[in-house]
Amino acid sequence: TQLLEQSPQFLSIQEGENLTVYCNSSSVFSSLQWYRQEPGEGPVLLVTVVTGGEVKKLKRLTFQFGDARKDSSLHITAAQPGDTGLYLCAGGGSTLGRLYFGRGTQLTVWP
Amino acid sequence: GAGVSQSPSNKVTEKGKDVELRCDPISGHTALYWYRQSLGQGLEFLIYFQGNSAPDKSGLPSDRFSAERTGGSVSTLTIQRTQQEDSAVYLCASSLVKGRETQYFGPGTRLLVL
Repeated sequence: TQLLEQSPQFLSIQEGENLTVYCNSSSVFSSLQWYRQEPGEGPVLLVTVVTGGEVKKLKRLTFQFGDARKDSSLHITAAQPGDTGLYLCAGGGSTLGRLYFGRGTQLTVWP
Repeated sequence: GAGVSQSPSNKVTEKGKDVELRCDPISGHTALYWYRQSLGQGLEFLIYFQGNSAPDKSGLPSDRFSAERTGGSVSTLTIQRTQQEDSAVYLCASSLVKGRETQYFGPGTRLLVL
């Protein structure tokens, strides 16, 4: 049983389009992190959100943490081929060191 | 090196053999984690070390898996009597302390059991 469900699993779009990736859970997390992973490399942290309702923006990427701290979304505006990669969400507990990862969304942006 | 390093980067072994995977965390990071990533799956937590505390082994899939961390730095993940289902990418991460601190990942070791 996956604690965090990500959707869609695969996303293939043209350069310039907008997209949203979702990360949902029935559990409450003290923090929610988004990672991006490229082939042959480990995941790299994009953002950490810790407050319910929090919105963070990184250039064309907008991250939102749900009010109940059970879900999150990642929105990319005007996607570029360089955005191609596996996007992973991960939930953290307040006392445990481990992270609970979703299966990821494989994004491909075509020029 | 500034980042987490892992060795070997690739390992091919025969079913039934033992393998050892190594992780060098970022200097000064007290927390170290091992995850496993299978094709089409997210990262599966295996084990985590925090300073001198007893490790959290709750994610180890069987008693064929073990890990140790010597001197609070380098860690070795050992898989005994490997099985084909052990084939995966094994990722190591480290962080300053546990909890909300950023986990920095190494590039992983790709293990293939024939």
